[in-house]
Amino acid sequence: ELKVEQNPLFLSMQEGKNYTIYCNYSTTSDRLYWYRQDPGKSLESLFVLLSNGAVKQEGRLMASLDTKARLSTLHITAAVHDLSATYFCAVDPYSGNTPLVFGKGTRLSVIA
Amino acid sequence: AAGVIQSPRHLIKEKRETATLKCYPIPRHDTVYWYQQGPGQDPQFLISFYEKMQSDKGSIPDRFSAQQFSDYHSELNMSSLELGDSALYFCASSLLGLEYGYTFGSGTRLTVV
Repeated sequence: ELKVEQNPLFLSMQEGKNYTIYCNYSTTSDRLYWYRQDPGKSLESLFVLLSNGAVKQEGRLMASLDTKARLSTLHITAAVHDLSATYFCAVDPYSGNTPLVFGKGTRLSVIA
Repeated sequence: AAGVIQSPRHLIKEKRETATLKCYPIPRHDTVYWYQQGPGQDPQFLISFYEKMQSDKGSIPDRFSAQQFSDYHSELNMSSLELGDSALYFCASSLLGLEYGYTFGSGTRLTVV
């Protein structure tokens, strides 16, 4: 059974600081997704990582994928309050249109 | 661009009642997924359909059933509702071979009282 582990589960960080969220998974999949969720809202797609070594950046967020280590990271640069949300990584276990398995999520709170 | 449409947005039901949630996937997407998300939890996969046929089954209770119709919309039917069924229910769609991932709908918040 595929396991997806995120850490930390809770993160309180000051504005302007940098931090990294980690996502480990237990299968050989090369398809990993990052989503953002605000309270009571839908899952907003942030990054789609489809190969080993993939790196994508959008604003203050950068995601990478190392399929050999079965590890993805979501790096936050110079955090701002608007980034406060829950971030989920999710893995497509069979690398093709199969149900995503989610991590437990990282609840990020950016404080002044 | 068209998104995944879910209805209703909110639903309040009493215990032992029945609820039906609807999902309209992105046009031409061939796969629909249903997820349940309890408060403070990660989304849990319930069931999926590929080209109107059930393709995968997750932790869906026997009290729940789902189907996908000829126009590709899907319905999740929930009977004998329990307090623990209160959750956000998401539908997502994807297209095999299209590499931009899965698009989620806005969700239906079900409250069982």
